[in-house]
Amino acid sequence: DTGVSQDPRHKITKRGQNVTFRCDPISEHNRLYWYRQTLGQGPEFLTYFQNEAQLEKSRLLSDRFSAERPKGSFSTLEIQRTEQGDSAMYLCASSLGAAGGPTDTQYFGPGTRLTVL
Amino acid sequence: QKEVEQNSGPLSVPEGAIASLNCTYSDRGSQSFFWYRQYSGKSPELIMSIYSNGDKEDGRFTAQLNKASQYVSLLIRDSQPSDSATYLCAVIRSNDYKLSFGAGTTVTVRA
Repeated sequence: DTGVSQDPRHKITKRGQNVTFRCDPISEHNRLYWYRQTLGQGPEFLTYFQNEAQLEKSRLLSDRFSAERPKGSFSTLEIQRTEQGDSAMYLCASSLGAAGGPTDTQYFGPGTRLTVL
Repeated sequence: QKEVEQNSGPLSVPEGAIASLNCTYSDRGSQSFFWYRQYSGKSPELIMSIYSNGDKEDGRFTAQLNKASQYVSLLIRDSQPSDSATYLCAVIRSNDYKLSFGAGTTVTVRA
């Protein structure tokens, strides 16, 4: 399978705990994006990477959230001191980037569903 | 004004009928437009992309773009029960890379 993969697929945690999610993009893709989706809404942008550089962060990404892509391959998203409002589906997407030109297309992984009790 | 708005739905159509989904966007400079399908509990799956004014057909799906009216639509012909899902309209604004999504329209195809 050469698509975007995410791990874990489901995470249940207690309020105040830290959680970390992993995303492995399609191998030749330079851009990696994180989105969050709550019930009944479309995905909302959190942050994105061009290779290992984090180029944009949404104001939705509070200081409890941190994302890394240390070698320009996989990425991790960590949430510290989780709150019930963090319960959502966390989606990772990847795209070719500049090589994709103006028609660069994002492909999504299966998502990680987080439930904070 | 939201960046991307979709007709609220839900939309119920009989099997074999045409389902018509509409989307408007606020940034006149937007250049890339996408339709994703999302089954309940699953992640979005790309079904169509369109970049130029006019129609683009792929199988039973036709996307229509009118940049002057800031409007993009999706037609699903010969609707099947397997088309029952939420359809998300997404736009990439000018000088940007991230997708801005509408809230989605849920389609139910009645057998």
